[in-house]
Amino acid sequence: SAVISQKPSRDICQRGTSLTIQCQVDSQVTMMFWYRQQPGQSLTLIATANQGSEATYESGFVIDKFPISRPNLTFSTLTVSNMSPEDSSIYLCSVTPYTDTQYFGPGTRLTVL
Amino acid sequence: TQLLEQSPQFLSIQEGENLTVYCNSSSVFSSLQWYRQEPGEGPVLLVTVVTGGEVKKLKRLTFQFGDARKDSSLHITAAQPGDTGLYLCAGRGADKLIFGTGTRLQVFP
Repeated sequence: SAVISQKPSRDICQRGTSLTIQCQVDSQVTMMFWYRQQPGQSLTLIATANQGSEATYESGFVIDKFPISRPNLTFSTLTVSNMSPEDSSIYLCSVTPYTDTQYFGPGTRLTVL
Repeated sequence: TQLLEQSPQFLSIQEGENLTVYCNSSSVFSSLQWYRQEPGEGPVLLVTVVTGGEVKKLKRLTFQFGDARKDSSLHITAAQPGDTGLYLCAGRGADKLIFGTGTRLQVFP
């Protein structure tokens, strides 16, 4: 299995500011994923982050808004830039250490005022 | 675009009742997973089904993968308050997991 921690667990931010979310895994993994879960909804993939290369973004998500870093095989950050109330969501980090087994962090609950 | 529709979207039942959640798509998936998510936590994997027609049981939960590998169902027998949560199906696409629309289950004592 993989144990994933995220920081912060929650935050309340002002419109126009940026927040960086950290994801730490207890083992080395090749692929890390960042998801957004809007209130009461399912998960939407934002991007896939591989170590040593630029993140791959899904349709509707751009690097300027959601820059991602992946400095090593156990850590990644997601920044939510120039926030608006529409960015209020839970942001989840996920990894796939084994084929077809995906583990999720506890999420970061973001509220933008 | 591969989509997974779940029904019902919401379900409120009394303890001891049975229920079935459906996950449907027009696309074929190599495998399908079911997750449960509780408030303040990330989704936790319950089961993976791979073969068309496959049935897996996890205590009071029964999972079935459709013969054509386009749909799946989750049946809970004698639901308990501890079953409360958001149930998500997820299909394995070419290079990523595609999540269903979700079913929020509330079981009252």
